[in-house]
Amino acid sequence: NAGVTQTPKFQVLKTGQSMTLQCAQDMNHEYMSWYRQDPGMGLRLIHYSVGAGITDQGEVPNGYNVSRSTTEDFPLRLLSAAPSQTSVYFCASSYSRGASGNTIYFGEGSWLTVV
Amino acid sequence: AQSVTQPDIHITVSEGASLELRCNYSYGATPYLFWYVQSPGQGLQLLLKYFSGDTLVQGIKGFEAEFKRSQSSFNLRKPSVHWSDAAEYFCATSSGNTGKLIFGQGTTLQVKP
Repeated sequence: NAGVTQTPKFQVLKTGQSMTLQCAQDMNHEYMSWYRQDPGMGLRLIHYSVGAGITDQGEVPNGYNVSRSTTEDFPLRLLSAAPSQTSVYFCASSYSRGASGNTIYFGEGSWLTVV
Repeated sequence: AQSVTQPDIHITVSEGASLELRCNYSYGATPYLFWYVQSPGQGLQLLLKYFSGDTLVQGIKGFEAEFKRSQSSFNLRKPSVHWSDAAEYFCATSSGNTGKLIFGQGTTLQVKP
């Protein structure tokens, strides 16, 4: 998964705390996105961005905020963590909006536990 | 709406045996289809992808997949499974021209010695 860097890899939060999951890519990719992975549900899209300054909601956006001030960075913010947000989070990026001919690269994941 | 279904949640095969993981998609036009593998505690690695052209796609680690429009399927195959293939496998399709991926629920592969 060279090129997409996520931090932290592991985090434990208390209910109500806030935190930011960082995602950075050095491939000059336009498209970036955040997914969460839960057992038996595969990966579900939280938010995505098609370029700097442009973000949109995915399938499960509630409780999460994003911004895209630069091409390289796409942080995911939890404003008030809830136990239901315990999950594994993956950041992804690709060259263009369309997947045609372009590989979508994933970060190594961030394991978040909310107690 | 686009969707992907992986009918098998868990599969166990013996080392050296052949493997087929099922994936069915729902989409009116020609879909973009992917297979990813995730080893325990690791991220996602792309095994192969299909966009158009030859319906039999070769991937890494000896995997292949066949796109069958008539059956709305994109099954993953490997002729001889190795113990290191034990992992979770995800089929995915992209949503239109946005690059967003829609994933199946995943299939966990266990390999018996």
